[in-house]
Amino acid sequence: EVVLTQSPGTLSLSPGERATLSCRASQTLSSSFLAWYQQKPGQAPRLLIYGASSRATGIPDRFSGSGSGTDFTLSISRLEPEDFAVYYCQQYDSSPPLTFGGGTKVEIK
Amino acid sequence: EVQLLESGGGLVQPGGSLRLSCAASGFTFTTYGIYWVRQAPGKGLEWVSGISASGAGTFYADCVKGRFTISRDNSKNMLYLQMNSLTTEDTAVYYCAKGAMPGAVRSYTHYWGQGTLVTVSS
Repeated sequence: EVVLTQSPGTLSLSPGERATLSCRASQTLSSSFLAWYQQKPGQAPRLLIYGASSRATGIPDRFSGSGSGTDFTLSISRLEPEDFAVYYCQQYDSSPPLTFGGGTKVEIK
Repeated sequence: EVQLLESGGGLVQPGGSLRLSCAASGFTFTTYGIYWVRQAPGKGLEWVSGISASGAGTFYADCVKGRFTISRDNSKNMLYLQMNSLTTEDTAVYYCAKGAMPGAVRSYTHYWGQGTLVTVSS
C-alpha cells in the first residue's frame, strides 16, 4: 500500500510570498499518477493538479506541480488571499485505488 | 454541468446501518469509476471505496472491508454505499467523487459532491 507523507503540516506565509508543499510517496509512482487538491472550510476538495504537473481546468498559473518517482511538489508562486486553505496530495498509481496524504495547511502569517 | 448529490446521512447508533446514495447527472455515468471519500471532523481526506464503470470491480479501504458495500445502478445514474456495523470511527462527511479517466479503476477526481454527514453516536 502506498503511503503519502505531506510536509510541512502547517505553512505560515504572507500574501505575495511563495509556497512550496511537499508530498513523498512510500514507493515509486511509476506513472506520476499524483494529484493535488485544495480544500477550504465547509467545502468539498477542488482539483488543482493531475499527472503530477498538469493544471486542471480553470486553475490559475500561479499553481504548479512537479516531481516524479517518490518526491512531488506543489508550488504557489505568489499567494493570494483566497489561496489560504488545506492542500492534499493523492496517488492513483497503485493499490489501493486512491490514497491521500495527511494535508498541509497554508495559513496567513 | 456535472452534478453529484449525496443523501442518506444522519445520526445512527453504534452497530447500526445506513445507506448513502449519490445521484449523478451531466455526464455519461457508465463510463467512469466513482469513489466514496470521507472526512472525519477536523481531519484529512480518507478514501473509503470505489467501483468501476461497469460495477464489476469494487474496492475497499481495509478499515471498512467486510462492513461497507458499494454498488451502482447504471440505469438510474445512482451510486450507493451500504454501511453496516458502524462505529464512532465512521463519523465523517462522506463525499462521492467522479473519476476523471474514462474506464480507469484508478483516477484522480475532478468532481465532488457536497457531502453528507454521518454521525455514529449513542
